[in-house]
Amino acid sequence: EVQLVESGGGLVHPGGSLKLSCVASGFTFSGSAMHWVRQASGKGLEWVGRIRSRPNNYATAYAASVKGRFTISRDDSKNTAFLEMNSLETEDTAIYYCTRGTSSDFWGQGTLVTVSS
Amino acid sequence: DIQMTQSPSSLSAFVGDRVTITCRASQGVGTYLNWYQQKPGKAPRLLIQAASSLQSGVPSRFSGSGSGTDFTLTISSLQPEDSGSYYCQQSYSSSPVTFGGGTKVEIK
Repeated sequence: EVQLVESGGGLVHPGGSLKLSCVASGFTFSGSAMHWVRQASGKGLEWVGRIRSRPNNYATAYAASVKGRFTISRDDSKNTAFLEMNSLETEDTAIYYCTRGTSSDFWGQGTLVTVSS
Repeated sequence: DIQMTQSPSSLSAFVGDRVTITCRASQGVGTYLNWYQQKPGKAPRLLIQAASSLQSGVPSRFSGSGSGTDFTLTISSLQPEDSGSYYCQQSYSSSPVTFGGGTKVEIK
């Protein structure tokens, strides 16, 4: 059974940093691209970014709204993807989901990030 | 970036009604179009991949069609458990992937 479990969310002040983790199981993690998608309360889905697999040079891409502030990485030995968020803004407050592949066929339960003073 | 426009933004229908949600891409995406269902407080769930391929476990009353720029999600006979929000997503370009604004489906 495919499972994605996010963790690391919480309350952070504007300008602060947070690092989210996504632990995967039930599939060959090393062969899959991993994406991050967020959803502000009462709003729609917003793609944050992705990291490809090793054969694709672990290539990353980001939404314009987070580029230069967020970094996606992965540790295939631990079946884990990461989203490191710096210079956080109140507009970054959202539930953050990790998903598998460009079609996002599996989603984690999400972790809430609240940016507030 | 490819913009995805969904309509309507919300709808209310009776159990048993046929419901159609449309999604239009700002440029052609072939059949790289996916549909998701989201219930309140839950993560989205992939319903249909590649415009028309029903995911395992998804009821057959759901169907998808279209290619290029115009796509449709149809629920042939609306059931109470179908209430929630529905999103389209294009995966033709993975940088960035883009979602439609969503359609909220309510049961009358």
